[in-house]
Amino acid sequence: NAGVTQNPKFQVLKTGQSMTLQCAQDMNHNSMYWYRQDPGMGLRLIYYSASEGTTDKGEVPNGYNVSRLNKREFSLRLESAAPSQTSVYFCASSTSGQTQETQYFGPGTRLLVL
Amino acid sequence: AQSVTQLDSHVSVSEGTPVLLRCNYSSSYSPSLFWYVQHPNKGLQLLLKYTSAATLVKGINGFEAEFKKSETSFHLTKPSAHMSDAAEYFCVVSKTGGGADGLTFGKGTHLIIQP
Repeated sequence: NAGVTQNPKFQVLKTGQSMTLQCAQDMNHNSMYWYRQDPGMGLRLIYYSASEGTTDKGEVPNGYNVSRLNKREFSLRLESAAPSQTSVYFCASSTSGQTQETQYFGPGTRLLVL
Repeated sequence: AQSVTQLDSHVSVSEGTPVLLRCNYSSSYSPSLFWYVQHPNKGLQLLLKYTSAATLVKGINGFEAEFKKSETSFHLTKPSAHMSDAAEYFCVVSKTGGGADGLTFGKGTHLIIQP
């Protein structure tokens, strides 16, 4: 099992460019999440998908969109990147959306917006 | 609403000495509590979790944590530090039975192991 995989690992964008961050899990999990990690801030939830076919906003959704393509894949899109979106992005998954469950994290995508 | 405070942004210990990483929480509900570890340039990995069963929770790599409701604390300990323990540690609180948006992460404690 690969667990949770993310692509790309690194990306540099110019302000205004768009890009999609890819995430896939092979654990047959129902719920998937996108977080951003900024220095000294811990992780903050951007969007989540409690089950296939549903998506909901988290704490910091502005400037992002998501697509739950199927049970395995959950992508995050930046339509017009801004320097404030420079961050490390983590995808995670869990069996279901109950918060007492363990979340399994991918290795992260490091994004720099110039 | 719930919140979590990690009392130290950095902790430095010598190899072979005990580790204590402190975490206080607040929650209007019966919380679930987690410790995750993040090694450099890696994703987060679960160390241990408390979900209203035994208050002393044992995790991987010799770590354990004790849930103390009266003190609203969930401190992480290890009797003897190893060089491989050097990493960032996150305390996380959630609402038991809450929805998928119910996790709150602490800001992290950077653990440094001196040889």
